[in-house]
Amino acid sequence: QVRLVQSEAEVKTPGASVKVSCKASGFTLSLFGFSWVRQAPGQGLEWVGWVSGNSGNTHYAQHLQDRVTLTADTSTNTAHLELRALTSDDTAVYYCARVGADFGDYIHFWGQGTLLVVSS
Amino acid sequence: EIVMTQSPATLSVSPGKTVTLSCRASHSVASSLAWYQQKPGQAPRLLIYGASIRATGIPPRFSGYGSGTEFSLTISSLQSEDFAVYYCQQYTNWPPYTFGQGTKLEIK
Repeated sequence: QVRLVQSEAEVKTPGASVKVSCKASGFTLSLFGFSWVRQAPGQGLEWVGWVSGNSGNTHYAQHLQDRVTLTADTSTNTAHLELRALTSDDTAVYYCARVGADFGDYIHFWGQGTLLVVSS
Repeated sequence: EIVMTQSPATLSVSPGKTVTLSCRASHSVASSLAWYQQKPGQAPRLLIYGASIRATGIPPRFSGYGSGTEFSLTISSLQSEDFAVYYCQQYTNWPPYTFGQGTKLEIK
């Protein structure tokens, strides 16, 4: 069965960093890529970035590119999102999602989401 | 950046009816357009990709149309489980991917 299982909810203070994991099962990570999408409370979907499970190549949303790093670890079949210098505007549910290994593919399916709350 | 605009923001429709949701792109995305359904407290689910291809397991009452800059999603014979928020997304090979702001389909 193809699944993406994300790490548990996080509560962070402003200025901190967070790392969210996304464990893939039922398929080989190196054959696909991962997009990360976030959704602030009561809002729509916002694309964060993409990482290739094959090459490790990345693309990021321009307004986040200085603070976000996406990686894909083929040895553990796990993708990671790291977001630094957190502010309250980063409070959202973060979804990992499987896409193609090359940029320019739709989202095949989604993880369950990880809630990040940034609050002092 | 390609801006995706969905209309209307909210649709109130009775079960059993047919409804059409619209999505417009600020620049041509050819057929690189997907539709997702999201219910409260759940992750989105892929409905349509390639503008008109139903994803695995999606019933035929969901139909996608369009290319270039104008797209639509038609849901016929609305069922109770279809009331949700629908998002379109363009996925051309130039970043960033962008989503529409969503259309909420609610029961009338």
